Amino acid sequence: DAGVTQSPTHLIKTRGQHVTLRCSPISGHKSVSWYQQVLGQGPQFIFQYYEKEERGRGNFPDRFSARQFPNYSSELNVNALLLGDSALYLCASSFDWDFRYGYTFGSGTRLTVV
Amino acid sequence: RKEVEQDPGPFNVPEGATVAFNCTYSNSASQSFFWYRQDCRKEPKLLMSVYSSGNEDGRFTAQLNRASQYISLLIRDSKLSDSATYLCVVNVGGQAGTALIFGKGTTLSVSS
Repeated sequence: DAGVTQSPTHLIKTRGQHVTLRCSPISGHKSVSWYQQVLGQGPQFIFQYYEKEERGRGNFPDRFSARQFPNYSSELNVNALLLGDSALYLCASSFDWDFRYGYTFGSGTRLTVV
Repeated sequence: RKEVEQDPGPFNVPEGATVAFNCTYSNSASQSFFWYRQDCRKEPKLLMSVYSSGNEDGRFTAQLNRASQYISLLIRDSKLSDSATYLCVVNVGGQAGTALIFGKGTTLSVSS
């Protein structure tokens, strides 16, 4: 069984540009969450989607948006990139919405904004 | 006060040592608790869930004290392969949905 897959693995963008990151959850998992991990910090919650609806949003500006598709895959979009958006972006999937059993993370997309 | 706080580390120990990590959390309504392990430039991986009764998985023992809002991880007989960053994680539900709140992590370096 494939785990959580994310694409691309690495990305370099210029300030002001837009980026789209993609995630496919483990087969059968209906919940996808996005996290941002800046170097030296723990991951920070951005969004949770369950059954194609947004269930939670962390403390991130409106430049960050996401959606979940009927096949439960998800996209994270970031507009007007800033240098501070450089980070590892992690997608996690879970069968249920309350994550009682934790998540499985994908290997992440490393975004560098120059 | 940060939602999840961990020992700052780093912890540098010889092989075979016993090492303990501590963590406190601020939200008394937190439902579930975990330790994740993260290797350099890799994604976090679930090490173990933490239950009120305490739980053990081989050389690893996790404890939860809800009254003190305190979580611990004990690693016995440390191996070189245990070198990693250990993240204390709390599951918080509420109006912001359900999210895992991560501590900053504690780095462990095991040397021969």
